[in-house]
Amino acid sequence: SQWGEENLQALSIQEGEDVTMNCSYKTYTTVVQWYRQKSGKGPAQLILIRSNEREKRSGRLRATLDTSSQSSSLSITGTLATDTAVYFCAYDTNAYKVIFGKGTHLHVLP
Amino acid sequence: ETAVFQTPNYHVTQVGNEVSFNCKQTLGHDTMYWYKQDSKKLLKIMFSYNNKQLIVNETVPRRFSPQSSDKAHLNLRIKSVEPEDSAVYLCASRVHWGSQNTLYFGAGTRLSVL
Repeated sequence: SQWGEENLQALSIQEGEDVTMNCSYKTYTTVVQWYRQKSGKGPAQLILIRSNEREKRSGRLRATLDTSSQSSSLSITGTLATDTAVYFCAYDTNAYKVIFGKGTHLHVLP
Repeated sequence: ETAVFQTPNYHVTQVGNEVSFNCKQTLGHDTMYWYKQDSKKLLKIMFSYNNKQLIVNETVPRRFSPQSSDKAHLNLRIKSVEPEDSAVYLCASRVHWGSQNTLYFGAGTRLSVL
């Protein structure tokens, strides 16, 4: 596998709580993307972080990337019930191949 | 705003039948992909095409064959489906050049093999 085992998770939290999802990867990359997939839809990109950024924010989202430990995280502050989805991290192994992690099933209870 | 269109949304068939799925993107991208998503939501890349050329062909059974008539269309045919082919098949596209890494996905085609 090209991903660490901790990438597969199911989380259930209360609306308003903060949450952090982690992923680790085994192949060198300079870009990690985070996607969200809601029920019945395809994944949609939330945030992209490059190795020279280490941290990137977008609204309630914060992504980090540590290329030395080959790990990335996505944090959501003040979760809403509408954040309920599966969250994936992803990276390119080459220009034509994007590998997705196992996903975190996040359930935000209203 | 949807820009990657997949048909059909659902398909139910029996073991041994042939099925075809269609994908069209209106984003002007040059690279398109097929992913298979299983019941646990695991996403596995199957194929990628760049300007109608097959670039990536993962370890996929021979009964799967992608087809591309132009850079905006990528279809997937499965000859003689098996029960393990039941899954959601997701099409995606993006530009190959520059720093545009974002993949744009369609809503998927859910295949059920009885």
